[in-house]
Formats: sequence, structure tokens, C-alpha cells
Amino acid sequence: KAGVTQTPRYLIKTRGQQVTLSCSPISGHRSVSWYQQTPGQGLQFLFEYFSETQRNKGNFPGRFSGRQFSNSRSEMNVSTLELGDSALYLCACAQGVTGANVLTFGAGSRLTVL
Amino acid sequence: SQQGEEDPQALSIQEGENATMNCSYKTSINNLQWYRQNSGRGLVHLILIRSNEREKHSGRLRVTLDTSKKSSSLLITASRAADTASYFCATDGAAGNKLTFGGGTRVLVKP
Repeated sequence: KAGVTQTPRYLIKTRGQQVTLSCSPISGHRSVSWYQQTPGQGLQFLFEYFSETQRNKGNFPGRFSGRQFSNSRSEMNVSTLELGDSALYLCACAQGVTGANVLTFGAGSRLTVL
Repeated sequence: SQQGEEDPQALSIQEGENATMNCSYKTSINNLQWYRQNSGRGLVHLILIRSNEREKHSGRLRVTLDTSKKSSSLLITASRAADTASYFCATDGAAGNKLTFGGGTRVLVKP
């Protein structure tokens, strides 16, 4: 089965711009989570969506937002980019939201903010 | 913020040796998982241990969990150059799939 697809893989933006990242989960996986990875802060949880509803949210400013579509594909948006937003953004999917769920990660979208 | 710390932060061993890394966490958990990451790419799930389990094996991997000490260890036996990667522990104490990751251990296996 196809894995988790994240697009774009690499992008460069300048401060003040906005960016939209896309994630297509494995077929049948309805939970999609987003994580930010930086050398300084490590892996940090952004938010989780299930059946088009945000279920959990991390401690990030309102500039970070996301949504999920009826086909489980998800997008995250970062507005008014700051230098500190440079990071690897990882999407992960799971089949359900109860019990012990293993996450399957995409290869990530590497964002550089200049 | 991260749930806990991983120790050591980096580890260099020869092929064939065992690699052990530890993870400590702060709050009660339902499950603890270990993931591997190669060169800044996506994470790959290795093993999951539930809070009522003490030890689990998967191939060359052995994971222990001590909930009284809020710690876990990952042992990779007979390491190979392909095991070179960063290893992360992750805990899930809340509902849903929100995982809290440790800082990771970078493992270098020299041929």
C-alpha cells in the first residue's frame, strides 16, 4: 500500500509570507497528526485531525493552523512566517484514535524561512 | 515541550556490538513507543510497549519499561551499519494520537 505522501518536500520562503503543506495519509487511516522538528526544540506536536475535526492541539501560536478534508487528506498552514519557523514538518497517520496506535510518518516537508 | 530525556545523546559503536539507550519521561503513560529516523527523514515505528508490560522483543530489539521509575530502555543487539540513525522514544498519555517525543539518541555504527 502507498505510504504517507507529503508535498512539497522542500520549500524556501521569506519572512512574512505564508505556506501551505499537504499530507495524504495511507488509505483507510483517518487520523492525521502534524509535528514540527527543529534542532533546538526537537519533535513537537502541532495538531491532530480525525474525521475532519481537530482532536488535539499543541502549544503553537495561532499562525499555525490545519484542516482535514473528507478524504482524510490534511493541510497545514503557517501565516506570517518567522525565521524560527524553519523546520522539518512531519505528517503522521493512524487508523484510529483509541487504544495503542502506531503512527506512520511521511518523509516530511523541509521549510526554510529567509 | 518534550516529555523527557534520552540518554546518551549520541552513541558510537562498532558493527556487531550492542547499543543501549535510555528514555525517561515525566507523566503517567498508556504506551511507550520507539521510532527510528534516518538523516532528517520521516520516522519509522520500531516497537510499542504498553504500560502494563515490562519487556518486549522484536527481532534484534529489546525494550524494557519501568513505570515506577518512569523510564524505558532500547537495546539493539548485534548492530549493523544500517542501524545508524537517531532513535526516539515517544509516550501517549492523552486521548488520541498525540505523542510526546524525547530528544533522541544519535547512534553511529562503524563498519
